[in-house]
Amino acid sequence: DAGITQSPRHKVTETGTPVTLRCHQTENHRYMYWYRQDPGHGLRLIHYSYGVKDTDKGEVSDGYSVSRSKTEDFLLTLESATSSQTSVYFCASTTPGNSPFHFGNGTRLTVT
Amino acid sequence: ILNVEQSPQSLHVQEGDSTNFTCSFPSSNFYALHWYRWETAKSPEALFVMTLNGDEKKKGRISATLNTKEGYSYLYIKGSQPEDSATYLCAFMRASGTYKYIFGTGTRLKVLA
Repeated sequence: DAGITQSPRHKVTETGTPVTLRCHQTENHRYMYWYRQDPGHGLRLIHYSYGVKDTDKGEVSDGYSVSRSKTEDFLLTLESATSSQTSVYFCASTTPGNSPFHFGNGTRLTVT
Repeated sequence: ILNVEQSPQSLHVQEGDSTNFTCSFPSSNFYALHWYRWETAKSPEALFVMTLNGDEKKKGRISATLNTKEGYSYLYIKGSQPEDSATYLCAFMRASGTYKYIFGTGTRLKVLA
């Protein structure tokens, strides 16, 4: 396994509050990703990172920001959570070249 | 926006049946296509990484083919077993230098004993 962990695993928060999800990997992978999983949509890319301090937007980036200050950590922040951000969030990492993703176990976020 | 489509969305097969499903992706500027197996309450698990037109990969009873010129990949399962029940995802990356992977919505397979 890539040793990729997400925290927290579950979170319930109220509309309008800030929330930060953490992804930590121990494999020195250069690329890291945040996806959200919703019924009927599969995995949709929120943001990704191609190196420390290098990030870019995915398909559904509105309302989310990310930071990568160290190779091993990739943080996803919801500045002001909304009910539409209730979802399961997956982090993934990989190396350059033709390597598959290694996924974290997911974070189930409920915004009430 | 890249469109990566998978069909069918779901299917039920009997134990022992062979089955296949499709991942369609843009045929221009191909870089790589991945297949993943995703069981309920778990994380997606990599099956294949495919990079060359005409690639064929096999792992046990599961195999995949790739046609980059027409923009599709097939995943085959021979002699389906109940433990094959899962959602099968494909992920496509274009050769644009951004290393951005887009997933299809998946095919949900249920194998009936």
